[in-house]
Amino acid sequence: EPEVTQTPSHQVTQMGQEVILRCVPISNHLYFYWYRQILGQKVEFLVSFYNNEISEKSEIFDDQFSVERPDGSNFTLKIRSTKLEDSAMYFCASSEPGFLYFGPGTRLTVT
Amino acid sequence: AQTVTQSQPEMSVQEAETVTLSCTYDTSESDYYLFWYKQPPSRQMILVIRQEAYKQQNATENRFSVNFQKAAKSFSLKISDSQLGDAAMYFCAYRSLNSGGSNYKLTFGKGTLLTVNP
Repeated sequence: EPEVTQTPSHQVTQMGQEVILRCVPISNHLYFYWYRQILGQKVEFLVSFYNNEISEKSEIFDDQFSVERPDGSNFTLKIRSTKLEDSAMYFCASSEPGFLYFGPGTRLTVT
Repeated sequence: AQTVTQSQPEMSVQEAETVTLSCTYDTSESDYYLFWYKQPPSRQMILVIRQEAYKQQNATENRFSVNFQKAAKSFSLKISDSQLGDAAMYFCAYRSLNSGGSNYKLTFGKGTLLTVNP
């Protein structure tokens, strides 16, 4: 069964550094998403991406965040200058016009 | 905006017994989807079951079933014959039926941590 993959599984970075989280969505999906889960809290929507542009973003998704689909397979989330409060699990998801399939997540730790 | 509420932060069940997890939601829409996701310690989000609001019949997936009460905006998950592997965080989620073709984002509740006792 096709699945969404994410790399790395765990990323440790220092405050102020840039990080790029990578995702490979399911190949025939057209809609891509990033969600975030701070430890012990609920999963929160960050951004959705369709037709090579952002279709919706949440209040969390400020100017420090950006997304890109650099080629036909990868979907990336960049955090320009990480803060301690960016420490969380980041989930990528993809969908056809329908149901979301989540990747296994990247645990980001900002020290 | 839609909201999803899970009023039980934690639940426990004995192995082989049945447990019901609660979820309520608030929406002004008449058509939508509801989901239960399971998040084991690995933290992967696994879809357990989904329900289309326009369907009156409650969804069932093996030992998992839902009790969907549209008028009450309630969507509970019943796990029958609980197994040790069912221990996880369970999230209820809402999705609009049609978001104009560009966005199918989910709104999640805060989750219920289920413990299964041997």
